[in-house]
Amino acid sequence: DADVTQTPRNRITKTGKRIMLECSQTKGHDRMYWYRQDPGLGLRLIYYSFDVKDINKGEISDGYSVSRQAQAKFSLSLESAIPNQTALYFCATSADVGSEAFFGQGTRLTVV
Amino acid sequence: GEDVEQSLFLSVREGDSSVINCTYTDSSSTYLYWYKQEPGAGLQLLTYIFSNMDMKQDQRLTVLLNKKDKHLSLRIADTQTGDSAIYFCAEILPSGNTPLVFGKGTRLSVIA
Repeated sequence: DADVTQTPRNRITKTGKRIMLECSQTKGHDRMYWYRQDPGLGLRLIYYSFDVKDINKGEISDGYSVSRQAQAKFSLSLESAIPNQTALYFCATSADVGSEAFFGQGTRLTVV
Repeated sequence: GEDVEQSLFLSVREGDSSVINCTYTDSSSTYLYWYKQEPGAGLQLLTYIFSNMDMKQDQRLTVLLNKKDKHLSLRIADTQTGDSAIYFCAEILPSGNTPLVFGKGTRLSVIA
């Protein structure tokens, strides 16, 4: 089983719809992250959480929200999807500062 | 602001050496990383270097760090077609309690 599992792997949704991307990890790590990948722009941080009670905005949090339901689960929501949110979304987890980050396989989201 | 810079593309012939370059933002960064993203997959840690090191070698990989110029490079010896991927440089900022900051990624194409 993968250390970090993202669901769904692919999703097409319509403009204005609410959508949730889910992430779960079996590493037992406290830190979890959501990144967005766009061609030529690399990975940009959306939100991150250093423990269950901690939520922090990243550089591109507008239009997104998150929920840390448990140490192992961190979900990302798009309240009202728009086409420029079409991207590849990655969840990641790490143990602490400086330690390796483990990534999920990604969710390819298309907003039409 | 935080900005890790990389060239976007590199093309090499199979068997040649590849050198991927990165400039990072803060000379006080404590950890610097190279992550690899194969097609259709998430990122995986390839190698890392602590800021008190100048060089690290791991089989075909050599990482060079020039702190004065804030320059990091990854050399892949005897490049193979399986090395074709996107390579991301990443840093941890000096405050430490922050997520990884990634560059935009360099797409390495290996020509047989």
